[in-house]
Amino acid sequence: GQNIDQPTEMTATEGAIVQINCTYQTSGFNGLFWYQQHAGEAPTFLSYNVLDGLEEKGRFSSFLSRSKGYSYLLLKELQMKDSASYLCAVVDSNYQLIWGAGTKLIIKP
Amino acid sequence: DTAVSQTPKYLVTQMGNDKSIKCEQNLGHDTMYWYKQDSKKFLKIMFSYNNKELIINETVPNRFSPKSPDKAHLNLHINSLELGDSAVYFCASSSPPRGRNTGELFFGEGSRLTVL
Repeated sequence: GQNIDQPTEMTATEGAIVQINCTYQTSGFNGLFWYQQHAGEAPTFLSYNVLDGLEEKGRFSSFLSRSKGYSYLLLKELQMKDSASYLCAVVDSNYQLIWGAGTKLIIKP
Repeated sequence: DTAVSQTPKYLVTQMGNDKSIKCEQNLGHDTMYWYKQDSKKFLKIMFSYNNKELIINETVPNRFSPKSPDKAHLNLHINSLELGDSAVYFCASSSPPRGRNTGELFFGEGSRLTVL
């Protein structure tokens, strides 16, 4: 079957750096998305990786290793507003999106 | 301008009733989706429509029926509501990945359905 694993919850301190990991086992691979979802709101797009390596976008970076079936989202200079759930989603060989259950990130002052 | 809009945002109803949720997108996207997000926050695909053709139907009870009058609209009709239908329902749209377009989903604000 297809599977996406990410930690259920993480806690970090304002101003610090946090890395949220995602491992996947899917039938084929056509890209990996990270979305952010604040409580009571819709998911919003953060990043997309289809080739190995690091994609940097401001305070957020996303890394992909296709051979290891692994990605991480790196958040720097954490702010209180970064408290949210972070969803990893993989596009499989049929171009269907397979979603992880999300990681709830709690930022403490 | 709201890119993907869905109504109503909140819906409280009794078991056994029939209800509809409407969705519209003004992004010119080819594909629209309905997702269900339960209390555990897991996003589960229900349907997607591509140019008015149903292309995914993931083990969803036939009490749920999507209706797409045109490319910009995908409505969700639910018959004989059950307690387990209580969840947040998200509409989304996307276009195929091409060039700089990653094919990411644009979500509506969600419709919180509570069945009593």
